[in-house]
Amino acid sequence: KQEVTQIPAALSVPEGENLVLNCSFTDSAIYNLQWFRQDPGKGLTSLLLIQSSQREQTSGRLNASLDKSSGRSTLYIAASQPGDSATYLCAVRGNQFYFGTGTSLTVIP
Amino acid sequence: GAVVSQHPSRVICKSGTSVKIECRSLDFQATTMFWYRQFPKQSLMLMATSNEGSKATYEQGVEKDKFLINHASLTLSTLTVTSAHPEDSSFYICSARDPQKQGHTDTQYFGPGTRLTVL
Repeated sequence: KQEVTQIPAALSVPEGENLVLNCSFTDSAIYNLQWFRQDPGKGLTSLLLIQSSQREQTSGRLNASLDKSSGRSTLYIAASQPGDSATYLCAVRGNQFYFGTGTSLTVIP
Repeated sequence: GAVVSQHPSRVICKSGTSVKIECRSLDFQATTMFWYRQFPKQSLMLMATSNEGSKATYEQGVEKDKFLINHASLTLSTLTVTSAHPEDSSFYICSARDPQKQGHTDTQYFGPGTRLTVL
């Protein structure tokens, strides 16, 4: 069964720093990988979707990479802002979605 | 982009009662909807896949007689938690798949979630 792990579980950084969130998965037979943002008590907001044939995707200050063979993905956030504070989830899609437990990010003004 | 709504956003009920949660796709017809559950500090877990006009497919460990799913139309799926107990308190999220975006390139559109508290 697919297992998705996210490290670190929590991260606190000062505003303006660049940071990297990590996601690893055990089964490389995936269709795609998606990064989500979840604000407290809210649903998920999709940030980036990487197809299994792709290596990376970029949207604004966000860049996500995928190394399917090693079962790893990273989410890079440039010039972090307090508004980036949220929980970030990665999910891989095989026959269903498998979610990681998330990284709780706090950006300190 | 596609919008999925859920109602109610928050519900508190007494133990033993039943609660219905609605999931609607607002600007597309969703032949498939998914129901997830998230316990505090845990990842989202798929509960069931809801297909319009047919019975839902439940994940292992999810009681189908307790979590009744009805996908009666292409824009509405409902999840009914029957005889709710405090351990059912959780955040329930639905998502819908746009059939015009099938295959590996598809993505799911998520609702905002419903927080259920059973006293």
